Amino acid sequence: EVQLQQSGPEVGRPGSSVKISCKASGYTFTDYVMNWVKQSPGQGLEWIGWIDPEYGSTDYAEKFKKKATLTADTSSNTAYIQLSSLTSEDTATYFCARGGPNTSLFAYWGQGTLVTVSS
Amino acid sequence: DVQMTQSPYNLAASPGESVSINCKASKSISKYLAWYQQKPGKANKLLIYDGSTLQSGIPSRFSGSGSGTDFTLTIRSLEPEDFGLYYCQQHNEYPWTFGGGTKLELK
Repeated sequence: EVQLQQSGPEVGRPGSSVKISCKASGYTFTDYVMNWVKQSPGQGLEWIGWIDPEYGSTDYAEKFKKKATLTADTSSNTAYIQLSSLTSEDTATYFCARGGPNTSLFAYWGQGTLVTVSS
Repeated sequence: DVQMTQSPYNLAASPGESVSINCKASKSISKYLAWYQQKPGKANKLLIYDGSTLQSGIPSRFSGSGSGTDFTLTIRSLEPEDFGLYYCQQHNEYPWTFGGGTKLELK
């Protein structure tokens, strides 16, 4: 069974950074890209970017190129997203979502991690 | 970016009824439209992709149709577990974009 277990809620001060993890199990981690998706309070979904864990290659939506950094650790089957220079607009729930049946789709999702930006 | 517009915003129905949710793209996306279900406390679920292809494990009461700019998700004979939020997503071009969501509520 494919499972994506995300780390717990984070509180970050304005201007700081936070790093969220997503531990994958139930499949070969390097066989699929891992996407990250943002959901602001009461809002819809925004695709942030993906990482190919096998090669470490990444692609980002233009809006998030200076905000998010995606990494992956194949030794622990864990993907990460780091959000920098936090502002109130970064307060949201962040999901990891495994690609499949092709790389443009989100076949399996984590439970989401709430990031709250507050001084 | 391709803008995705869903309608209606809210939809109230009873178990056993059939409902339809619409999604309109700001430009042609060929057949590359996916639908997702979101429910509190559960992982989001991919229902349909390529406009009408049912994801493995999804009940056949879910169906998708459309191409170009206009798409529809239809749920026949609603079950209690079908109530929740539904999102469309275009998977034709970067960046992948989602509709604003439709809340399907129990009448």
